Amino acid sequence: NAGVTQTPKFQVLKTGQSMTLQCAQDMNHNSMYWYRQDPGMGLRLIYYSASEGTTDKGEVPNGYNVSRLNKREFSLRLESAAPSQTSVYFCASSGSRTSGASSTDTQYFGPGTRLTVL
Amino acid sequence: AQSVTQLGSHVSVSEGALVLLRCNYSSSVPPYLFWYVQYPNQGLQLLLKYTSAATLVKGINGFEAEFKKSETSFHLTKPSAHMSDAAEYFCAVSERNKLSFGAGTTVTVRA
Repeated sequence: NAGVTQTPKFQVLKTGQSMTLQCAQDMNHNSMYWYRQDPGMGLRLIYYSASEGTTDKGEVPNGYNVSRLNKREFSLRLESAAPSQTSVYFCASSGSRTSGASSTDTQYFGPGTRLTVL
Repeated sequence: AQSVTQLGSHVSVSEGALVLLRCNYSSSVPPYLFWYVQYPNQGLQLLLKYTSAATLVKGINGFEAEFKKSETSFHLTKPSAHMSDAAEYFCAVSERNKLSFGAGTTVTVRA
């Protein structure tokens, strides 16, 4: 099993450009998440998807959009990149029970995408 | 909303010494608490989690944490540090299946 995979690993954008970060998991998880990591701030939730077909805002959603393409894939789009979006982005997934998600579920993280916006 | 606070952004220990990383939480209901580790240029990996089954939780790589309701704490310890423990450690609390992370503590291990 590959677990959670993310592409690309690195990206440099100019202000105003758009891009999509891809995430896929092969653990049959129901829930998927996008976080950003900035020095001294831990990880902050951007968007999450509790199940296929649903998405909800997290703590810092402004400037981002997401698509839960199917159960395996969850993408994050920056429509018009800004320098403040320079960060490391992590995708995570959790919960394979048919009875639904639980707050005790472990989240499994991908290796991250390092994004720089000039 | 639930939150966690990690005391100390950097901790330096000698190889073989005790590792103690502090985490305090704020929650109006019994919390579900997690410790994750991040090695350089990698994603996060679960060390251990508290789900109310037992107050002393044992994790991977010799780490353990004790849930103390009276002190609203969930400190992480390891009796003897190894060079491979050099990493960043995050405490997190789960609320409605979403994690809120502390700012992280970077551990360096001196030979």
